[in-house]
Amino acid sequence: NAGVMQNPRHLVRRRGQEARLRCSPMKGHSHVYWYRQLPEEGLKFMVYLQKENIIDESGMPKERFSAEFPKEGPSILRIQQVVRGDSAAYFCASSPGQYTDTQYFGPGTRLTVL
Amino acid sequence: GENVEQHPSTLSVQEGDSAVIKCTYSDSASNYFPWYKQELGKRPQLIIDIRSNVGEKKDQRIAVTLNKTAKHFSLHITETQPEDSAVYFCAASSGNTPLVFGKGTRLSVIA
Repeated sequence: NAGVMQNPRHLVRRRGQEARLRCSPMKGHSHVYWYRQLPEEGLKFMVYLQKENIIDESGMPKERFSAEFPKEGPSILRIQQVVRGDSAAYFCASSPGQYTDTQYFGPGTRLTVL
Repeated sequence: GENVEQHPSTLSVQEGDSAVIKCTYSDSASNYFPWYKQELGKRPQLIIDIRSNVGEKKDQRIAVTLNKTAKHFSLHITETQPEDSAVYFCAASSGNTPLVFGKGTRLSVIA
């Protein structure tokens, strides 16, 4: 029973490039959450998606960031025109239901912007 | 919106002693309180959670207590072992809002 998968595990981009992060939820889960973690800090909610729908994007920056969870395939967090401040660990989590169902985290993608 | 404060930020205990980490929350509508353990470079893993209809929950050496009136909840680890060393995060949600996490407590268990 595979857990939550994320790839790539490490991603290096130069300023101005695009970063694309992928998340495959646990089998049977249709709810995906994305979080950002800066060094020595907690996890900050970014966006909550169900298949083909964005449910809550209140934590996502208005510019340059977007997320999707298509009917087929993984959820994708896209960061356009990356800046140094985007360097962080990005975790996704999946659950069988809404916010108060147990969320299981993936291993994270560590983004470094040069 | 919800605000979660976590204390202490670092905690060192001798192996075999108990460790207590405390969190306070601001939104009285919050009703779900999970605790996650994160080892260096690894994913956060749920270790225990509590919902607002109970005041305490135990799982072997780990327990969580909830005081809804005071809006605080605590994690208790007894008989600590070196493998308990990690960063621990508390979180809170009302069910209609995302999980809000504390800033974490770095626990070191000294053998």
